[in-house]
Amino acid sequence: DAGITQSPRHKVTETGTPVTLRCHQTENHRYMYWYRQDPGHGLRLIHYSYGVKDTDKGEVSDGYSVSRSKTEDFLLTLESATSSQTSVYFCAISEDRGREPQHFGDGTRLSIL
Amino acid sequence: DQQVKQNSPSLSVQEGRISILNCDYTNSMFDYFLWYKKYPAEGPTFLISISSIKDKNEDGRFTVFLNKSAKHLSLHIVPSQPGDSAVYFCAASGPGSARQLTFGSGTQLTVLP
Repeated sequence: DAGITQSPRHKVTETGTPVTLRCHQTENHRYMYWYRQDPGHGLRLIHYSYGVKDTDKGEVSDGYSVSRSKTEDFLLTLESATSSQTSVYFCAISEDRGREPQHFGDGTRLSIL
Repeated sequence: DQQVKQNSPSLSVQEGRISILNCDYTNSMFDYFLWYKKYPAEGPTFLISISSIKDKNEDGRFTVFLNKSAKHLSLHIVPSQPGDSAVYFCAASGPGSARQLTFGSGTQLTVLP
């Protein structure tokens, strides 16, 4: 298995609170991604990073921010959580932008009440 | 508008028979296609991929077929086993700075003993 750790694995919080999810990799891969999975939608890209301090928006980036200060860590922040952000969040890593597949962590289940 | 579509939410197959999962895409810029398998409470696991320069790729019991003119790909699993029961996602990517993946909504495969 690719060395990807997501924390926390489960979180319940209230609307309006800030939430930060962490993705940690031990593979020294350049690319890191945050997805959310919702019923009927598959996985949708929130933000991605192509290097330290280099990030860009994905398909569903509104309400989310990210930071990558070290190669191994990619943080996803919900500044003020809303109930529509209740989802399962997956982090993925990729070695380069060639034909390497992305490998996923085991996800964080986030519930916002 | 979904660029990658899996029109069958579920599929049931008898053990030992062939499972065929289908996927359609609309974006002609996609040039790399992947299948992922997902068990509950785990992250998606990469299964097999195919480049647009090929029309078939095989790996053990798994074969992916690509029909570029129809913008259609399929995953064949022969013979199907109960352990293959999972959600299968197809994904696609095109030329871009980070090869973002666009996912279909998934097909739940159940292999009956």
